[in-house]
Amino acid sequence: GQQVMQIPQYQHVQEGEDFTTYCNSSTTLSNIQWYKQRPGGHPVFLIQLVKSGEVKKQKRLTFQFGEAKKNSSLHITATQTTDVGTYFCAPSTDSWGKFQFGAGTQVVVTP
Amino acid sequence: DTGVSQDPRHKITKRGQNVTFRCDPISEHNRLYWYRQTLGQGPEFLTYFQNEAQLEKSRLLSDRFSAERPKGSFSTLEIQRTEQGDSAMYLCASSQGAGPGNTIYFGEGSWLTVV
Repeated sequence: GQQVMQIPQYQHVQEGEDFTTYCNSSTTLSNIQWYKQRPGGHPVFLIQLVKSGEVKKQKRLTFQFGEAKKNSSLHITATQTTDVGTYFCAPSTDSWGKFQFGAGTQVVVTP
Repeated sequence: DTGVSQDPRHKITKRGQNVTFRCDPISEHNRLYWYRQTLGQGPEFLTYFQNEAQLEKSRLLSDRFSAERPKGSFSTLEIQRTEQGDSAMYLCASSQGAGPGNTIYFGEGSWLTVV
């Protein structure tokens, strides 16, 4: 079945630095969602990507969907302490809402 | 505040007891989803409803689990004869419809600890 791998699993970043987290699939994805979960919190929707090669920006966050629609990335510039949390990619499967969440990238930011 | 409400937020129960969680989705959202999340893992899909109809159940949902959405509004998830392995956060989510463009919003979750 469809599975996604997120790398890295853990990212320690100095405040002000940039970092990228990746989501890779062995199968072609129809679309992919990104969620952020703060420690002790719940997943919060960030973005949806549907088109091949799509790039979307939200302030310091840049999301990309690969040309082959088998991978996606999230790049954060000038990391802030508010960026702390776990970032999940969640491709859709055969049923809308039946997402296949990755294991997430846990981000820790050092001031 | 996503608008999806879950109750209770925390539940500690003894092994073998039954527990029930309630979810109130965002008003007028037709679709309602249940997920389970254990520490260090991403959420895992359990089941979903389109209005009052339960359309799909994961193999993770054993016979001890039952979910209902009787009037197409709120939903309940019941776990019978709880086991320690049931300890997790149970997340409810909702969306207005199906397909890209219909964002899925999660509630704050119900934490279950089975002792």
